[in-house]
Amino acid sequence: RKEVEQDPGPFNVPEGATVAFNCTYSNSASQSFFWYRQDCRKEPKLLMSVYSSGNEDGRFTAQLNRASQYISLLIRDSKLSDSATYLCVVNKANDYKLSFGAGTTVTVRA
Amino acid sequence: ETGVTQTPRHLVMGMTNKKSLKCEQHLGHNAMYWYKQSAKKPLELMFVYSLEERVENNSVPSRFSPECPNSSHLFLHLHTLQPEDSALYLCASSQGISGGLSYEQYFGPGTRLTVT
Repeated sequence: RKEVEQDPGPFNVPEGATVAFNCTYSNSASQSFFWYRQDCRKEPKLLMSVYSSGNEDGRFTAQLNRASQYISLLIRDSKLSDSATYLCVVNKANDYKLSFGAGTTVTVRA
Repeated sequence: ETGVTQTPRHLVMGMTNKKSLKCEQHLGHNAMYWYKQSAKKPLELMFVYSLEERVENNSVPSRFSPECPNSSHLFLHLHTLQPEDSALYLCASSQGISGGLSYEQYFGPGTRLTVT
């Protein structure tokens, strides 16, 4: 089983729509969770850390479900500029190293 | 946007060449990383340095040789590479490393390497 699994998509949504997707992780002892975004042929950039109680940053909401071992990202009022690949990132249990998912591609159309 | 810089941005090299990738971080971080990203695959961790000491070497072939002269600079020396080594090589830095938690990592723009 992969350490981090994501639906590759693509999720094609119209501007203004809400899109949400999940990521599952295999190790229940993982403690640090992040969402990164990566534009085509660019480097990953930190979008937000994910906290146990869930957190919001503008139009982006992240949730953590430890019981089912998944994190989610919801994007409200999608903009064309939200088109990117979203990487789910989880630390290896009791370790500083990060495991990266292969990414979920979101395409927002006008 | 210039917290972590990498040069060159693009590199084409033959299998018998020797080249070096350079990374510099301006964030005052203590840990630096090399990752490889191949098309449609997750990032693969190659090397980790903490306070200029190598703490991780993920079974990377010896044709890749890292060097960390100080906490702000990281190099990846390349020699006798294979075509399958063509990929995006990303450098990252973080505040530090600890036993059970991960700090956020910040990435450079990467070097897109093509081995012919």
